[in-house]
Formats: sequence, structure tokens, C-alpha cells
Amino acid sequence: KQEVTQIPAALSVPEGENLVLNCSFTDSAIYNLQWFRQDPGKGLTSLLLIQSSQREQTSGRLNASLDKSSGRSTLYIAASQPGDSATYLCAVKNTGTASKLTFGTGTRLQVTL
Amino acid sequence: GAVVSQHPSRVICKSGTSVKIECRSLDFQATTMFWYRQFPKKSLMLMATSNEGSKATYEQGVEKDKFLINHASLTLSTLTVTSAHPEDSSFYICSARGIGGGLGSTDTQYFGPGTRLTVL
Repeated sequence: KQEVTQIPAALSVPEGENLVLNCSFTDSAIYNLQWFRQDPGKGLTSLLLIQSSQREQTSGRLNASLDKSSGRSTLYIAASQPGDSATYLCAVKNTGTASKLTFGTGTRLQVTL
Repeated sequence: GAVVSQHPSRVICKSGTSVKIECRSLDFQATTMFWYRQFPKKSLMLMATSNEGSKATYEQGVEKDKFLINHASLTLSTLTVTSAHPEDSSFYICSARGIGGGLGSTDTQYFGPGTRLTVL
């Protein structure tokens, strides 16, 4: 059974700092991994999707990496802004599971002025 | 593009009543929709997978008679919480997977904004 863990559970940084969020998964037989953002009381916004054959994906100030063999992914946020404050979730789709996503526990990020 | 809506966004009901939540893919067709439940400060837990025109597949521990799912068209799935109780209070989120070609990639689930259910 796939288990996804995110560390840290919560993080507070001053504006302008670069930061790294971590995601680990127990079953390396994944099809892809996705990072989402969730604002309080809202749905999910997809940030980046990495296929199992890829090592990283970039979008603006965001960079996600994937090391499938070690069961890890990181989300790097450059030059953080108060508007980046949200909960970040990673989710893994395993091969052969008909699109089922297993979500991590999330990291609550607060970027302070 | 690839927008998923949910209605209502918030609902408060009395214990024992039934509540229906709609999930619509607005600009793409979705053969598969997913229903998740999220407790405060917790992650999303998949409840069931809904395929258009067939019965939903429920995850272990989810009561199919309590959480009725109907996926009658390629753009609409509904979740009905029957005889709701306070412990059913939660944030329910749906997602939709496209059929490919243009909007609605088969690789990606597009998530709705969620429905906050409070049962008194």
C-alpha cells in the first residue's frame, strides 16, 4: 500500500527566502507525481506534474524534482512571497491503479513580511 | 480551461437529512470522476471512483449505501450523503479526469473547489 509523507508539516519563512518542501513515498512503482496548492477552505490547484521518467519540472519560481528510486520528491520555491502562503500537497499515482492518487499529509507554508 | 465546479460550496443541514453535492466538468468530458473527503488539517482521502454509466467503486471502509454516487453523464457526477450525521461533517472535493484530446488530459485530475458540509 502506497504511503506518502511530507516534511515538515508546517513552515514559516520570511519573504524572499528560498525554501524546499519534501515528499517521500514508500512504493517506487509510480506513474507520476503531482504537487498541488490548497488555500484555506478551497480546492486544489495543480502546480507541477512529473512523469516517472522525468527528473524535474519547472514553472516560474517553482521547481519540482523526482528521485523515484529513493522514493523522494522536492518542491523548491524561489524568492518566496506572502502570496505563496498555503498548504502544499504532493500526490502519487501508482502504475496499474486506474488513476488513483495517494496524497501526502501536506505542508502548511506561511511566508511573512 | 479544464474547469471543475461543485455545488453547493457550503451546506448546513440537520441530522438525519440527505444532502446532494454536484460535480461538473465545465469545458471537457470526464469519463471518470473521483470523490475525496478531507478532515481539518488532514490530507485528502479517496472515497470512491465514479465512471460514467457504471457503478462507482468505493474504497475500503466507505459505506456505499451512505454515500451514493451517480455519474449519469460525461460532465456530471453527484454524491448524496444519506441520513447525514455530525460525523459526516467534512470538506468534500471532487475531481475529474478527461478523455484526452485538447482539454481534459487523461493524465491529470482536475479538482473542484470543494463543498463544506456541516451537519447539526
